[in-house]
Amino acid sequence: GAVVSQHPSRVICKSGTSVKIECRSLDFQATTMFWYRQFPKQSLMLMATSNEGSKATYEQGVEKDKFLINHASLTLSTLTVTSAHPEDSSFYICSARAQGGSGNTIYFGEGSWLTVV
Amino acid sequence: AQSVTQPDIHITVSEGASLELRCNYSYGATPYLFWYVQSPGQGLQLLLKYFSGDTLVQGIKGFEAEFKRSQSSFNLRKPSVHWSDAAEYFCAVGSGFQKLVFGTGTRLLVSP
Repeated sequence: GAVVSQHPSRVICKSGTSVKIECRSLDFQATTMFWYRQFPKQSLMLMATSNEGSKATYEQGVEKDKFLINHASLTLSTLTVTSAHPEDSSFYICSARAQGGSGNTIYFGEGSWLTVV
Repeated sequence: AQSVTQPDIHITVSEGASLELRCNYSYGATPYLFWYVQSPGQGLQLLLKYFSGDTLVQGIKGFEAEFKRSQSSFNLRKPSVHWSDAAEYFCAVGSGFQKLVFGTGTRLLVSP
């Protein structure tokens, strides 16, 4: 099946710094990727929809200036958490829509654990 | 608005016994339905999906799910549970292959 890779899988950063998380579709092109956030023992909440070549669409309540999303190519979307604070510590997961040969479905990355200290 | 309800937070099943995880959805049109499994600290793996056609869907690892429009349900089943099935299971609904709305998840515990 299609593969979506996230990097880094775990990151620890100091409060006030920025951290970037990458989401790559390894064997298919994804014009649309999605970023979710998951708090411990809770469900996934959609943060934003990342569109290749255009601005991301953010869900209500998500600060677009804090969570910067860039979808520079058909295989890469990045999420940058700016001026991170401890409350931003969470599990961030991306997904990408695969079409055609990979099957018309949505595949998820392995997730990235962010800890802000 | 779309919503997904997984009424069971935890379920414990004996190894070898059958399993059914419940999922009810609310959606205005024909839904696209998914079941994902998540092991601790990891991402989500797709178990199966329903778009149209046969309402009984077969997935990986011996799982199946049945779409029942009249009940707005998409319950996940497995005839014989293995200890390795212990994980968190998420039901999700979407419009096409776009953003998904997830249920709160059901944690499956498998007892020996």
